Amino acid sequence: EDQVTQSPEALRLQEGESSSLNCSYTVSGLRGLFWYRQDPGKGPEFLFTLYSAGEEKEKERLKATLTKKESFLHITAPKPEDSATYLCAVQATGFQKLVFGTGTRLLVSP
Amino acid sequence: NAGVTQTPKFRVLKTGQSMTLLCAQDMNHEYMYWYRQDPGMGLRLIHYSVGEGTTAKGEVPDGYNVSRLKKQNFLLGLESAAPSQTSVYFCASSYPTSLGLAGTYEQYFGPGTRLTVT
Repeated sequence: EDQVTQSPEALRLQEGESSSLNCSYTVSGLRGLFWYRQDPGKGPEFLFTLYSAGEEKEKERLKATLTKKESFLHITAPKPEDSATYLCAVQATGFQKLVFGTGTRLLVSP
Repeated sequence: NAGVTQTPKFRVLKTGQSMTLLCAQDMNHEYMYWYRQDPGMGLRLIHYSVGEGTTAKGEVPDGYNVSRLKKQNFLLGLESAAPSQTSVYFCASSYPTSLGLAGTYEQYFGPGTRLTVT
């Protein structure tokens, strides 16, 4: 069964304090790994798709990386507006469905 | 371009009542999905559709029905609401990045419907 585990559940950072969020996965065959951002009371917002081990993608202060067993979302010099829940999801080969993790709640204090 | 829209935004039902949630997308996406999101459980797939006139069961389909009569709309019905269906419901749509099942399916989400069943 395909599974996604995210850690930590919650993370509190000071503005400018860099850190990483982890997404561990087990999947029969990985077609893609996705990162989303979700603000309170809103729907998830698509950030990145990673396709194969070694791949990296960047957007502003966020960089996502992928290995064969996990993905990391690195946040460099975060700002309070980066506060949100970050969700990870995987798509298995041959399926149109995504399996989501439960997310990491990030709070960045000024 | 409105993207994915959902109506209503909030609803309170009594046990046993029925209702329909409407999802609409203007991106010409083939695939559409209904999820529920509960604290500590993450997003769980209820039903999905890979094209007009098609539907399929997801992870938690019991107590829900869906219809996709038009490509741009995906309806989620609760025939007899139960307190266990209190949740936030999200609709999403996607398109394949390449032909067939070899593609990836970035999903784009609506703003959600908060449903409370008393």
